[in-house]
Amino acid sequence: RKEVEQDPGPFNVPEGATVAFNCTYSNSASQSFFWYRQDCRKEPKLLMSVYSSGNEDGRFTAQLNRASQYISLLIRDSKLSDSATYLCVARRGRRALTFGSGTRLQVQP
Amino acid sequence: GAVVSQHPSWVICKSGTSVKIECRSLDFQATTMFWYRQFPKQSLMLMATSNEGSKATYEQGVEKDKFLINHASLTLSTLTVTSAHPEDSSFYICSAGGGSEDQPQHFGDGTRLSIL
Repeated sequence: RKEVEQDPGPFNVPEGATVAFNCTYSNSASQSFFWYRQDCRKEPKLLMSVYSSGNEDGRFTAQLNRASQYISLLIRDSKLSDSATYLCVARRGRRALTFGSGTRLQVQP
Repeated sequence: GAVVSQHPSWVICKSGTSVKIECRSLDFQATTMFWYRQFPKQSLMLMATSNEGSKATYEQGVEKDKFLINHASLTLSTLTVTSAHPEDSSFYICSAGGGSEDQPQHFGDGTRLSIL
C-alpha cells in the first residue's frame, strides 16, 4: 500500500465548477501536510499547507482530518489555469516529503 | 524568485556517460537537501538525503555507487549519475529548506535526463 494515496483522475470540469480532491495517508507518524501543484514537465510548486483547523487561500480550501488520516483540497470557481496535477504530500519531522501519485485536473472552457 | 537553483535543466547524452547535476540554495543555508526522481506519469520518489559534511542516506533500491552525492558546502549538493544508461532517463529534482517540520520545502527546476 502506498503511503499517500490519491485518485489519479483525470477530473474534467467546466470553468467555474467546484472540484474536490481527496487523499489518504497511512503513516500516522506523519506530522505535516501540503498540497503541491505540478504542471507538465515542471517542478512541483507549493499550493498550500494543510492544517486540522482547515485553511483557505482565495479559491482554495484545504482540510486535514488526523483521526481518519484524510486530507482534502477544494477548488471553487475553477479557472483554465488551474489545469495541472495536484500532489498530496506528507512529511514526518524534517524528513523528505512523501508524495502521492497526483490527481490530474483538466478545466475545460 | 527561485530559492533553489538546479542545473542543468536538460541533458541528452550517450549511454555510458556520467552526468553531474547541481542543486544550490540561493539565499539560505541547507544542511540537508533531498534528491527525487520522477518517471513519466508517476509520483516523485525520494532517492537520497544529502547531508552537508557527511555521507548521503540512500533509499532502498537506490545504488549509492551509481548515484554519487556530494554535499560539500551549505549551499551546494551535487548528484552524479555514473555510467548512465537509457533506464536512468528520468526527471531528477532536488529540494531544500523546510528547516522545521511545518515549513514546506522548495524545489529546484528539475533536470530532465535523456540517455540515448
